[in-house]
Amino acid sequence: AQSVSQHNHHVILSEAASLELGCNYSYGGTVNLFWYVQYPGQHLQLLLKYFSGDPLVKGIKGFEAEFIKSKFSFNLRKPSVQWSDTAEYFCAVTPGWTGANNLFFGTGTRLTVIP
Amino acid sequence: GAGVSQSPSNKVTEKGKDVELRCDPISGHTALYWYRQSLGQGLEFLIYFQGNSAPDKSGLPSDRFSAERTGGSVSTLTIQRTQQEDSAVYLCASSLKGGGGGANVLTFGAGSRLTVL
Repeated sequence: AQSVSQHNHHVILSEAASLELGCNYSYGGTVNLFWYVQYPGQHLQLLLKYFSGDPLVKGIKGFEAEFIKSKFSFNLRKPSVQWSDTAEYFCAVTPGWTGANNLFFGTGTRLTVIP
Repeated sequence: GAGVSQSPSNKVTEKGKDVELRCDPISGHTALYWYRQSLGQGLEFLIYFQGNSAPDKSGLPSDRFSAERTGGSVSTLTIQRTQQEDSAVYLCASSLKGGGGGANVLTFGAGSRLTVL
């Protein structure tokens, strides 16, 4: 079965520190990859996505993620976090073949940025 | 509508009672998903509707759970004889089209928080 692993459950950083959140998946075929973010009191929203092409994708608010196929990973990065980045971050994966219905989510990583 | 609308936002019920949760997706979105978000469990897929096709019910945890989507728009998730372990946030999402191939960019609603006493 498809699975998505986020090993960091809670990350605490000071403002301006660099961020990297890990995401690994188990599916061996073509995949589409996503990071969603849930700010306190808000809906889940898309942060960035990878479908094909350049494995380094840029998202909103200075976030980026790199797809490394050999490592089955799609880690999220930001060079300098801000207090407003405090949120819960979810990695998600879906098979790339047409007909796949499901979007598999990881358990999420809670990020707390201290001013 | 402008976004995915869910109601009620909060529901407290007694064990054994039935509950209905409603989702109104974005107009024109043919795909609709229900997920359950429990503390420390991430998002658990429940059911998926795509147009007039038969729904993918593979994620429903038991036969107490059912969902329907009327007229290809509004969806209702029903939980019968609720149990304490059903307590969670139930999230609805819609997308312009379903299937893989990069189409699964979901827009989520705010969720319905269910508490079973």
